[in-house]
Amino acid sequence: ETGVTQSPTHLIKTRGQQVTLRCSSQSGHNTVSWYQQALGQGPQFIFQYYREEENGRGNFPPRFSGLQFPNYSSELNVNALELDDSALYLCASSLKLQEETQYFGPGTRLLVL
Amino acid sequence: AQRVTQPEKLLSVFKGAPVELKCNYSYSGSPELFWYVQYSRQRLQLLLRHISRESIKGFTADLNKGETSFHLKKPFAQEEDSAMYYCAPHLKAAGNKLTFGGGTRVLVKP
Repeated sequence: ETGVTQSPTHLIKTRGQQVTLRCSSQSGHNTVSWYQQALGQGPQFIFQYYREEENGRGNFPPRFSGLQFPNYSSELNVNALELDDSALYLCASSLKLQEETQYFGPGTRLLVL
Repeated sequence: AQRVTQPEKLLSVFKGAPVELKCNYSYSGSPELFWYVQYSRQRLQLLLRHISRESIKGFTADLNKGETSFHLKKPFAQEEDSAMYYCAPHLKAAGNKLTFGGGTRVLVKP
């Protein structure tokens, strides 16, 4: 059984640029959630995808968008990057929509200069 | 508004001493409560959930609905318990998302 994987591990961008982060869910999991973890804080929920559709969103602006593919892998896209977007971005998958236990990936650390 | 508070940023204890991590939540519904842990250089992982009423790695957590608290306890801390701990209420009506507290770093000294 393969765990949740994320790519890239690290990324440096400049303000105003766009970034795409990728996540492969744990085998058999059809639900994926994305979280932003700023330095010294707990993860903050960005949004969740279930069967390729957004299923809940946190308090993040529309420039944060996502996709889920038929194989349940997922992308997080952030447009018009701001300095405050610098954070660790975590992807988590769960076996089904109503399964609360989430399995986290190692994260992608994004630095915006 | 939904809110979860972990008042201690850092807990430093000696090996063999008891450790208690506090978590208070403010929710309009009845959330499920979780504790997640992140050991050094490892990914965030589930430690325990209140509905299972289990003891995991010697840790237990008591849900007190009256005080809206879900404190994590271990009677005899071990060095391998040094990690970052997050309390995370989950409310299905809020979109099936986890809401994490700010985290408590536990340092167990030899």
